[in-house]
Amino acid sequence: NAGVTQTPKFQVLKTGQSMTLQCAQDMNHNSMYWYRQDPGMGLRLIYYSASEGTTDKGEVPNGYNVSRLNKREFSLRLESAAPSQTSVYFCASSEAWDTGNTIYFGEGSWLTVV
Amino acid sequence: GENVEQHPSTLSVQEGDSAVIKCTYSDSASNYFPWYKQELGKRPQLIIDIRSNVGEKKDQRIAVTLNKTAKHFSLHITETQPEDSAVYFCADDSGGGADGLTFGKGTHLIIQP
Repeated sequence: NAGVTQTPKFQVLKTGQSMTLQCAQDMNHNSMYWYRQDPGMGLRLIYYSASEGTTDKGEVPNGYNVSRLNKREFSLRLESAAPSQTSVYFCASSEAWDTGNTIYFGEGSWLTVV
Repeated sequence: GENVEQHPSTLSVQEGDSAVIKCTYSDSASNYFPWYKQELGKRPQLIIDIRSNVGEKKDQRIAVTLNKTAKHFSLHITETQPEDSAVYFCADDSGGGADGLTFGKGTHLIIQP
């Protein structure tokens, strides 16, 4: 039981390049999330998927797209990377979106855009 | 929008002393308040949580208190140890919405030897 697994762990991109962050969970969770973490800003929600087949924007969705490929997988795509997207990205999941469900995080992906 | 404010941003205490981190929230519909600990270079991990029908919860050296009337909740760590050094995040359930948790900006807890 690996929990939440995300790849890659580290990536350097040039401005304008595109990339996809992959995330998978093996806990049979219904809800999945993508957060970004910047110094002094806490964890900010980019996109979420309350259940398989649905995705919605979070607090900071601009410049990103997501795909809920199946119940296990939720990917985050940067179509044209910008230096402002340099950040640590965390994928997370919870059993359901109803209140009181613990959110479990992946190990994080360190992305630098130059 | 709804938010969670967390104070202080940095807290330095002597080993063995107690540490208190405070959060306030704005959404009166929020019912779930977890605390996460994040060590340097690691993922955030849940350390304790509390629901709105409870005023206090303890787990060994860690306790959380909730005042729903005042919309604030606090994390208390007693007999602090070097391994308590980390960044701590409070959160609420955003009024029970499908978007999961809203996090505070974090408190960097430093345990001085």
